[in-house]
Amino acid sequence: AAGVIQSPRHLIKEKRETATLKCYPIPRHDTVYWYQQGPGQDPQFLISFYEKMQSDKGSIPDRFSAQQFSDYHSELNMSSLELGDSALYFCASSLDRGNSPLHFGNGTRLTVT
Amino acid sequence: GDSVTQMEGPVTLSEEAFLTINCTYTATGYPSLFWYVQYPGEGLQLLLKATKADDKGSNKGFEATYRKETTSFHLEKGSVQVSDSAVYFCALTRLDRGSTLGRLYFGRGTQLTVWP
Repeated sequence: AAGVIQSPRHLIKEKRETATLKCYPIPRHDTVYWYQQGPGQDPQFLISFYEKMQSDKGSIPDRFSAQQFSDYHSELNMSSLELGDSALYFCASSLDRGNSPLHFGNGTRLTVT
Repeated sequence: GDSVTQMEGPVTLSEEAFLTINCTYTATGYPSLFWYVQYPGEGLQLLLKATKADDKGSNKGFEATYRKETTSFHLEKGSVQVSDSAVYFCALTRLDRGSTLGRLYFGRGTQLTVWP
């Protein structure tokens, strides 16, 4: 069965650079979520989209932005990267704003040097 | 605010031992409770869930009962296997009006290692 696809799997950037993470949800899933998991930390909710509109916002820095496109894939754009942004970024998708279980991708590991 | 507290790991067990990972929660409204498992190099997978008090979630030999009186959702398995080695996350999401169901609040995770 198709799963949530995230790209790239690994990304290394320098401070003050920009990064773009991509997420391709399971076909027919209309809701996408982004989570950030720092080293040894629990995943923290960043932002979610339902039918291409932002549906909820968590602890996402102003330097980050995200959107969901017409094909339902989503991109997380991160600017002015800081060392503290180094983390595992998960995308998850679901049907109907989470009324069905969330399916997570394998994550993108971002390292900022 | 809503939060989840899990017992700290790591937990190391021999194969066929009994497993308990404690989880307690704080939430307003009526949360749904989940256990997710993360195998090395992979994303989070839903292991089991319970949506109301006294519900028992179960999957692959794992069980957890939603206890409202003690605000707990402890994960148990009667006989662990080497293949159960992973990180286990307790999580909640709220069902009450105005909440996005998919916004999960996670605990810190508990690393389980099972030796043969």
